[in-house]
Amino acid sequence: GQQVMQIPQYQHVQEGEDFTTYCNSSTTLSNIQWYKQRPGGHPVFLIQLVKSGEVKKQKRLTFQFGEAKKNSSLHITATQTTDVGTYFCAKAAGNKLTFGGGTRVLVKP
Amino acid sequence: DGGITQSPKYLFRKEGQNVTLSCEQNLNHDAMYWYRQDPGQGLRLIYYSQIVNDFQKGDIAEGYSVSREKKESFPLTVTSAQKNPTAFYLCASSIGQNTGELFFGEGSRLTVL
Repeated sequence: GQQVMQIPQYQHVQEGEDFTTYCNSSTTLSNIQWYKQRPGGHPVFLIQLVKSGEVKKQKRLTFQFGEAKKNSSLHITATQTTDVGTYFCAKAAGNKLTFGGGTRVLVKP
Repeated sequence: DGGITQSPKYLFRKEGQNVTLSCEQNLNHDAMYWYRQDPGQGLRLIYYSQIVNDFQKGDIAEGYSVSREKKESFPLTVTSAQKNPTAFYLCASSIGQNTGELFFGEGSRLTVL
């Protein structure tokens, strides 16, 4: 089926540094959602992007939807140990949500 | 408190046995979903239901069955036909169609011995 690809699969970050994770689709997306799953936990909704070029911020997290609505990015500034976890993007296809493979973030203190 | 409750949290099963995972929500959500997650992997959709007494297969429905007799309940049965059932199973719900925000339960970890 139609998938969303997330890169990188793993992200090792020094505490205090910034990083970006990407979500790419070969088809135009109606919307994109982002979730965070802490180790041993369950996914928790972060945000939904709908409009072309949309940018939304949540404290140190910045989410962006591409102009062509085929890709999205999550940028985290000044990474903290609390940012550890796996970040998933998900696209709506009909009445179901399809998840990417996730970016697993490890923070080095 | 409103939320989604999955049980059991951990389950061990012998090969050849069917097992049913429970998922209950008191959020008054119309839509419910079952996902499977393997170690280090993303979430794959097993089944979903948009309304009571109706459900659709997801991407990996083979070896699984569901029912939606009540709005608040969406149990998943892992049958003996599922070749590799050991996984983390996540139930989720959303307000309705058009796939808005999903609310997840804490998951059920199934191990086949």
